[in-house]
Amino acid sequence: DAGVIQSPRHEVTEMGQEVTLRCKPISGHDYLFWYRQTMMRGLELLIYFNNNVPIDDSGMPEDRFSAKMPNASFSTLKIQPSEPRDSAVYFCASSLGLAGNTGELFFGEGSRLTVL
Amino acid sequence: GDSVTQMEGPVTLSEEAFLTINCTYTATGYPSLFWYVQYPGEGLQLLLKATKADDKGSNKGFEATYRKETTSFHLEKGSVQVSDSAVYFCALRRSSNDYKLSFGAGTTVTVRA
Repeated sequence: DAGVIQSPRHEVTEMGQEVTLRCKPISGHDYLFWYRQTMMRGLELLIYFNNNVPIDDSGMPEDRFSAKMPNASFSTLKIQPSEPRDSAVYFCASSLGLAGNTGELFFGEGSRLTVL
Repeated sequence: GDSVTQMEGPVTLSEEAFLTINCTYTATGYPSLFWYVQYPGEGLQLLLKATKADDKGSNKGFEATYRKETTSFHLEKGSVQVSDSAVYFCALRRSSNDYKLSFGAGTTVTVRA
């Protein structure tokens, strides 16, 4: 079975441009998470969804960031306009939230964003 | 709030050496504890977990015991290999009803032949 699939793997863009990162979770998983990884701040949870509904977006840095999950098999994280400080690796992860399940997260390979 | 603190790296070892990475946590209630590993260029993957006090998680020669009295979940491996070079993250899940994980800063481990 395919794991979590993210695209693009690498993105280089200029400040002010719009960036869209995409994620396909593991089929059947009902939780989806977006994390950001930087050297300075480590892994930060940006937002997570349950059954396509955003549950907690308190980690989203500011209004330039938005995330959507239009259906169970697709999510996007958008940055508009992008800034150099947004440069990071963005990870998508999914999880199966059954009662009694320990809620292991399955991560994608990440999208490395560089904003010049 | 709930948080995880792990020892800072980087850690450099020779092959067959003993590895310990300290992890302590702050949480109310009875969290579940995890170690995730990130190999170069890859996403994180679960290494081991423990869901209650005194549980020992183990996988690939790694072990960690959930110690509630010391609020710790230290990772150990008796004899490391070059292939164990990676970044290791301690993580906490607050309760069975909470599906998000809080991660430590990560510890970079390099094993030299």
